[in-house]
Amino acid sequence: KAGVTQTPRYLIKTRGQQVTLSCSPISGHRSVSWYQQTPGQGLQFLFEYFSETQRNKGNFPGRFSGRQFSNSRSEMNVSTLELGDSALYLCASSLVGGGPPGELFFGEGSRLTVL
Amino acid sequence: LAKTTQPISMDSYEGQEVNITCSHNNIATNDYITWYQQFPSQGPRFIIQGYKTKVTNEVASLFIPADRKSSTLSLPRVSLSDTAVYYCLVGGEYGNKLVFGAGTILRVKS
Repeated sequence: KAGVTQTPRYLIKTRGQQVTLSCSPISGHRSVSWYQQTPGQGLQFLFEYFSETQRNKGNFPGRFSGRQFSNSRSEMNVSTLELGDSALYLCASSLVGGGPPGELFFGEGSRLTVL
Repeated sequence: LAKTTQPISMDSYEGQEVNITCSHNNIATNDYITWYQQFPSQGPRFIIQGYKTKVTNEVASLFIPADRKSSTLSLPRVSLSDTAVYYCLVGGEYGNKLVFGAGTILRVKS
């Protein structure tokens, strides 16, 4: 079956702009989470959605937001981009909605460069 | 949130068994221990998950002592393709944010 699909794979923006990243989870998966990965900070949790509701949020400023649609597809948005937002943004989907964490299936990521 | 501590890097040779230990002193009762592998420019890939004692699958084993304050990922007979970063995560029911530590860079040499 198809894996987690993230689009776009690469993008370049300038400071002050905004960006929207998309994630299509594995069919049947209702939980989608987002992570930011940078060389300095490693993998950091952004937020997690389950059945269109944000269940958890990491320690990121309000410029980072997300949403999930009824078909479980998710988008994240970063407004007023800063140089430090340059990173690999990873989306992961999971079949599990509760109980043990289960297996996260990651996409290949969207690499954002802010100039 | 439980914080994890892992060695920054490890070196091994092909065919050897590799054990990577993760410390998680403040693990909570509901927390599970999960390990992921990541290759450059790819998303992490699930290896194994456990709660206590020992768990084994086709690629690895996970040893968790009774106090659960640490865990050890065991990779039998590693190959060059096992060169990657390995992350230990501690988290409870999904919906609790999973925190990735710094990871362990494993380098397998021929």
